[in-house]
Amino acid sequence: DAKTTQPPSMDCAEGRAANLPCNHSTISGNEYVYWYRQIHSQGPQYIIHGLKNNETNEMASLIITEDRKSSTLILPHATLRDTAVYYCIASTGANNLFFGTGTRLTVIP
Amino acid sequence: EPEVTQTPSHQVTQMGQEVILRCVPISNHLYFYWYRQILGQKVEFLVSFYNNEISEKSEIFDDQFSVERPDGSNFTLKIRSTKLEDSAMYFCASSLEEWDTQYFGPGTRLTVL
Repeated sequence: DAKTTQPPSMDCAEGRAANLPCNHSTISGNEYVYWYRQIHSQGPQYIIHGLKNNETNEMASLIITEDRKSSTLILPHATLRDTAVYYCIASTGANNLFFGTGTRLTVIP
Repeated sequence: EPEVTQTPSHQVTQMGQEVILRCVPISNHLYFYWYRQILGQKVEFLVSFYNNEISEKSEIFDDQFSVERPDGSNFTLKIRSTKLEDSAMYFCASSLEEWDTQYFGPGTRLTVL
């Protein structure tokens, strides 16, 4: 699976959009971009994934650049409950998910 | 919404003892996984399981570890003789198909004394 690079931490004001970037310049054609988050020591929570097209669900939007070398997860209206570590993972989805160190997002009141 | 469940939430054991961690995957899922997270460290893959066989395992998953699907609903991780360094959160996950999204349980905190 391709390696991903994320900033170690970010802050976001409550109610504002949180934009979390991820670089995956070595991603291969059959690898999806997955986003998970982990609140404290709870189990990783699936957020969204995509291959080429932008995706949106009830939790977030995923914007993938045309060359697929980077992506941005957007939480449109961040709340205090969105404070968590966010992981960007490039994977075919089969078997092993490789979790890096992620981005610690702190939503500030 | 269906979810993965794990029991117990916290297990304390003495070094050298055997422990069994239990998971109930989402009911129609066919692929099952164990991951662990040592305090303050990354989530690490241990093993994947399909059709009553291990399909992939990491170098962490040595002979002290085993997995089993003893019935139609449970998926277990056994550590034969626990060591202090086995203390960690253990997460079970499941997916419908091999290429499908993995959904994680809440974890079991294992403390080895």
